[in-house]
Amino acid sequence: QQQVKQSPQSLIVQKGGISIINCAYENTAFDYFPWYQQFPGKGPALLIAIRPDVSEKKEGRFTISFNKSAKQFSLHIMDSQPGDSATYFCAASKKTDKLIFGTGTRLQVFP
Amino acid sequence: KAGVTQTPRYLIKTRGQQVTLSCSPISGHRSVSWYQQTPGQGLQFLFEYFSETQRNKGNFPGRFSGRQFSNSRSEMNVSTLELGDSALYLCASSPGTGIDTQYFGPGTRLTVL
Repeated sequence: QQQVKQSPQSLIVQKGGISIINCAYENTAFDYFPWYQQFPGKGPALLIAIRPDVSEKKEGRFTISFNKSAKQFSLHIMDSQPGDSATYFCAASKKTDKLIFGTGTRLQVFP
Repeated sequence: KAGVTQTPRYLIKTRGQQVTLSCSPISGHRSVSWYQQTPGQGLQFLFEYFSETQRNKGNFPGRFSGRQFSNSRSEMNVSTLELGDSALYLCASSPGTGIDTQYFGPGTRLTVL
């Protein structure tokens, strides 16, 4: 019940295209869903996060879509750029509890 | 504000030794969490300290321990190192009072030979 399943494991997208990464969870007590971006040699950096009271949140080219009934959420990167090439992790947590991370998606954006 | 800092950035140890890693959270943050990152297991939660008390604990053996000081700085200790302990150890800080964003440091890369 504590798992967060993330797919795909790797993703190759052409510059200007849309990158979509999906996550699914089981624990209905989760109430915070962040996405982290990690570049090689760096720690994960918060990209965008959503609470379950909204179905979508957009920040620039990054959008989280959240489906509470399906217990799924996804990250959409519009107009993907080579600088977006990184590993992306979804995560979930409940108040003051630990973050449970997905297994990560390695995104490569080719010019 | 300065970000989360971790020292040292790189460490090489041999099996059986022990190691201490340090983390300084963002000023004003009272919660420090530690994670282990490996290619095979991904990001796994070790423990969280809030106001000098361990508030949450992951599923790691007792060889992994930590503590937090009154200034919120935290240390993590691994005793009797094993080859499988080679990993990137990440520290994250947050205000700790609710559903808070966790801000990660750059990590300490530990290699056990």
